[in-house]
Amino acid sequence: SQTIHQWPATLVQPVGSPLSLECTVEGTSNPNLYWYRQAAGRGLQLLFYSVGIGQISSEVPQNLSASRPQDRQFILSSKKLLLSDSGFYLCAWTPTGSSYEQYFGPGTRLTVT
Amino acid sequence: ILNVEQSPQSLHVQEGDSTNFTCSFPSSNFYALHWYRWETAKSPEALFVMTLNGDEKKKGRISATLNTKEGYSYLYIKGSQPEDSATYLCAFIVGGATNKLIFGTGTLLAVQP
Repeated sequence: SQTIHQWPATLVQPVGSPLSLECTVEGTSNPNLYWYRQAAGRGLQLLFYSVGIGQISSEVPQNLSASRPQDRQFILSSKKLLLSDSGFYLCAWTPTGSSYEQYFGPGTRLTVT
Repeated sequence: ILNVEQSPQSLHVQEGDSTNFTCSFPSSNFYALHWYRWETAKSPEALFVMTLNGDEKKKGRISATLNTKEGYSYLYIKGSQPEDSATYLCAFIVGGATNKLIFGTGTLLAVQP
């Protein structure tokens, strides 16, 4: 069966510090991968998606970047965090092909102080 | 810009009450609509993926209907229980190989025992 992992679960970082959130999927190959964020008082917003290794699409201009160094690994990064980067970050995956289903990881709560 | 709207924003009901929420989405270029149940600090749990106009799906006390021509979906909960308390999200799939989800802001349901 497939599982999706995210770490860390919670993170408190000062403004201006770097960020690296990791997401890995097990039990599947060549999934589509996604990063979403829920900022305070707002809905879930798609930040990045990837249809393959090294292929990243950004949905909104922001202070963050994403990379996919391996088939089942998706990393969200920032060189210098802003207060507005605080939120709940969710990684998700979809099987390549016909399925519309999308499965979410446990999430990372990021607080920028 | 694609917009998915949910109403009401929040709902407080008594245990045993039946309730329903609405999701409105663009009626053109429809591929699929998701309903998720999301508890705080957990990953969204998939309830339904709906693809055909007139679809009706049921899972225990929860059911959903879909009208793609007019761009709305209803989620019903029969005999609400305290454990049904959560945020209920709908998400519209932007088609193609990417399976990107555009989320509504959710309906927060609180069921009082």
